[in-house]
Amino acid sequence: EVQLVQSGAEVKKPGESLKISCQASGYSFTSYWIGWVRQMPGKGLEWMGIIYPGDSDTRYSPSFQGQVTISADKSISTAYLQWSSLKASDTAMYYCARGDSSGLLEFWGQGTLVTVSS
Amino acid sequence: EIVLTQSPGTLSLSPGEGATLSCRASQSVSSSYLAWYQQKPGQAPRLLIYSASSRATGIPDRFSGSGSGTDFTLTISRLEPEDFAVYYCQQYGSSPRTFGQGTNLEIK
Repeated sequence: EVQLVQSGAEVKKPGESLKISCQASGYSFTSYWIGWVRQMPGKGLEWMGIIYPGDSDTRYSPSFQGQVTISADKSISTAYLQWSSLKASDTAMYYCARGDSSGLLEFWGQGTLVTVSS
Repeated sequence: EIVLTQSPGTLSLSPGEGATLSCRASQSVSSSYLAWYQQKPGQAPRLLIYSASSRATGIPDRFSGSGSGTDFTLTISRLEPEDFAVYYCQQYGSSPRTFGQGTNLEIK
């Protein structure tokens, strides 16, 4: 069974750094892409970017390029989304999802709620 | 960037009725790479339809997708109580991948 288990909720202050995780199981981690999607409170879904853990090929949406970093550690089947300096506007639910080569997101994690507040 | 516009924003229907949700793209969607997702409150999105008209594994046949080019439709033939949710379309044929703003299907 394909499973994506995300790390727990985070409460941070503006300017702090953060790295959230998405651990995959039930399939070959290096054979599929992992995408990240943002959902701000009460809003819709936004595509952030995607990584292929097999060779770390990473593509970002222009809206998120330079704002976050997507990475993966294939030794532990885990993908990451990180910020170097959080802003209040980063407050959102973040989902990871397994994608195919075209970017279709078939299996989703449960989401990680990130709250940034002073 | 392809902009997806979903209509209506909110659809109020009763169980047993049929629902038609629309997704219009600002440019042609390559290879009909258009998907539909369902999201219930407090849950992650779930893939319903991919390649415009193919149902994902385990999705009931009352859900169907159609369309090509710039106009796509999700049809739910007979609404069950568990179908009331928010529905998003997504194109994955061009970079960056984009989502529509969603249609809220609510109980009348």
